[in-house]
Amino acid sequence: DSGVTQTPKHLITATGQRVTLRCSPRSGDLSVYWYQQSLDQGLQFLIQYYNGEERAKGNILERFSAQQFPDLHSELNLSSLELGDSALYFCASSAGTGGSSPLHFGNGTRLTVT
Amino acid sequence: GNSVTQMEGPVTLSEEAFLTINCTYTATGYPSLFWYVQYPGEGLQLLLKATKADDKGSNKGFEATYRKETTSFHLEKGSVQVSDSAVYFCALSDGGGYNKLIFGAGTRLAVHP
Repeated sequence: DSGVTQTPKHLITATGQRVTLRCSPRSGDLSVYWYQQSLDQGLQFLIQYYNGEERAKGNILERFSAQQFPDLHSELNLSSLELGDSALYFCASSAGTGGSSPLHFGNGTRLTVT
Repeated sequence: GNSVTQMEGPVTLSEEAFLTINCTYTATGYPSLFWYVQYPGEGLQLLLKATKADDKGSNKGFEATYRKETTSFHLEKGSVQVSDSAVYFCALSDGGGYNKLIFGAGTRLAVHP
């Protein structure tokens, strides 16, 4: 058990809809990362937050947004969903922003867009 | 930009066979290199790492050596077990640490009794 909790485990929704994925980091970790895993794109880094502030951005679409709250949990919001957004979305956390802090991954949320 | 290339799977082996999963990378500077493992229905777990050239990372019988001259970080294990069946990801971090990992496509390993 990595200590990173993601909810829900599965999500099925229709095109054009909006969903929210939630992540609770490991106790004491200040950084949260979001990754998307799809069959055609593999594992792609989306975005990183550190102690409530956006720290780094990757291949995140404008339809997607995220935030980290004062209690350090994070939410990834996906809107105007398309079939191609179907994927496994992972959250990871680490104690710091880089250097010596390893990433701990949650078990992911599987999103299916129909 | 930075990238990681892994051998395509699936790799199918019998128990106690020798395992090699090839990984090469393209990066500016001196990245740190990692192998992560993903068991069915679970998230990724760090398997081993190496932070500089000629470093050898090892864990649970797996090992990989950071080869700067060939830009490679091949994963090896002398005798695989059925429980090693999983997807293995090679990754690099160009920040010298663990952040903003760039992953390879993953290699599925299936070990049969």
